[in-house]
Amino acid sequence: QVQLQESGPGLVKPSQTLSLTCTVSGDSISSDGYYWSWVRQHPGRGLEWIGNIYYSGSTSYNPSLKSRVTVSVDTSKNQFSLKLSSVTAADTAVYYCARYYPDRSTSCYFFDSWGQGSLVTVSA
Amino acid sequence: DIQMTQSPSSLSASVGDRVTITCRASQSISIYLNWYQQKPGKAPKLLIYAASSLQSGVPSRFSGSGSRTDFTLTISSLQPEDFATYYCQQSFSAPYTFGQGAKLEIK
Repeated sequence: QVQLQESGPGLVKPSQTLSLTCTVSGDSISSDGYYWSWVRQHPGRGLEWIGNIYYSGSTSYNPSLKSRVTVSVDTSKNQFSLKLSSVTAADTAVYYCARYYPDRSTSCYFFDSWGQGSLVTVSA
Repeated sequence: DIQMTQSPSSLSASVGDRVTITCRASQSISIYLNWYQQKPGKAPKLLIYAASSLQSGVPSRFSGSGSRTDFTLTISSLQPEDFATYYCQQSFSAPYTFGQGAKLEIK
């Protein structure tokens, strides 16, 4: 049973960089064929996909955040990380890491495993 | 970006009721549509993938249907633990977008 756990500061100052790490257990982050993702949820709002990474380091990002986002992977620690620069109050949200996994018969990908979420507040 | 629109945004129902939530995509997404359930303070939970496939461990009272632009999630007989918010999500093309959610409340 794969488990994901986010970690990082819960409070970030405006204009600084938000940094979170997701530790994966029960699965190898180097497994072939699926991705590792970050998704956020503003308070009381819906879900927003931030970006994906493959164990090789290949990434894809939401264009709305692309200029500020970096997702990286550390296969030796079975972790992947999120950095979001130049944050404002609008970046206050719960940040989830998740596994983006495919159904082999249809090639449909879905978020099948999630971390518990990490609330990050942007405030001076 | 592909826009996902759910309806209704909120609904009230009773235990035992049959409930249907719809999701419409702004362009054809074939069957690349997933459904999630989220309870307050918890991460989303995958219910249905590829429009109609039931995720392992999810009760059979949940079902999904549809293709191209129109999709439905049906709960055949509501149980107390089903009161939650439901989201659809398209995985046809990046950015992978979610619907705004449908909050299911107890009548």
